[in-house]
Amino acid sequence: GENVEQHPSTLSVQEGDSAVIKCTYSDSASNYFPWYKQELGKGPQLIIDIRSNVGEKKDQRIAVTLNKTAKHFSLHITETQPEDSAVYFCAASNANDGGSNYKLTFGKGTLLTVNP
Amino acid sequence: ETGVTQSPTHLIKTRGQQVTLRCSSQSGHNTVSWYQQALGQGPQFIFQYYREEENGRGNFPPRFSGLQFPNYSSELNVNALELDDSALYLCASSTVPADTQYFGPGTRLTVL
Repeated sequence: GENVEQHPSTLSVQEGDSAVIKCTYSDSASNYFPWYKQELGKGPQLIIDIRSNVGEKKDQRIAVTLNKTAKHFSLHITETQPEDSAVYFCAASNANDGGSNYKLTFGKGTLLTVNP
Repeated sequence: ETGVTQSPTHLIKTRGQQVTLRCSSQSGHNTVSWYQQALGQGPQFIFQYYREEENGRGNFPPRFSGLQFPNYSSELNVNALELDDSALYLCASSTVPADTQYFGPGTRLTVL
């Protein structure tokens, strides 16, 4: 089955700096890669996702890049703000599976702290 | 548009008991997936329901079972609770099984 590794497990940055979180996946059939932000006591909130037919996607201060050959994808947050502090999870799935395998496989998470 | 809702928020049970968790999907979504999130870990897929049928299952024993109703809401049932079942249980809904999954706030289950 799919295995997703996420690094680093913790990341501390100064407000205004950039933050980068990296993930690798094992199953070459995976083609959908969402990123979720989870604040304390809440469920994961989708912040951006990318499908394997594109290499990069950007939404304001957030961008995701995908390298299918190397099987890794990254989340980039620019101009970080204290409210960006949370746990971030990457995930992977095969959204084209004609059977019943649309599960998301998650990384273990990155605790991002943005210091004012 | 109402998002995904879950009930109850918190639950305390003792080992060997049974528990039922509930999830209402987002408007327009007919697929519900359930995940277990242990402390400090990423969510683990339990199973998915689509049009009232189980549509995929993760590595969880049969004592984890579910239902989906005609209005697409769903239940997760866990029998013979074990201490390791203590976790945050998350429900996610999507328009179809392969589409983006939106999560609810979760139910925190503590097994004593």
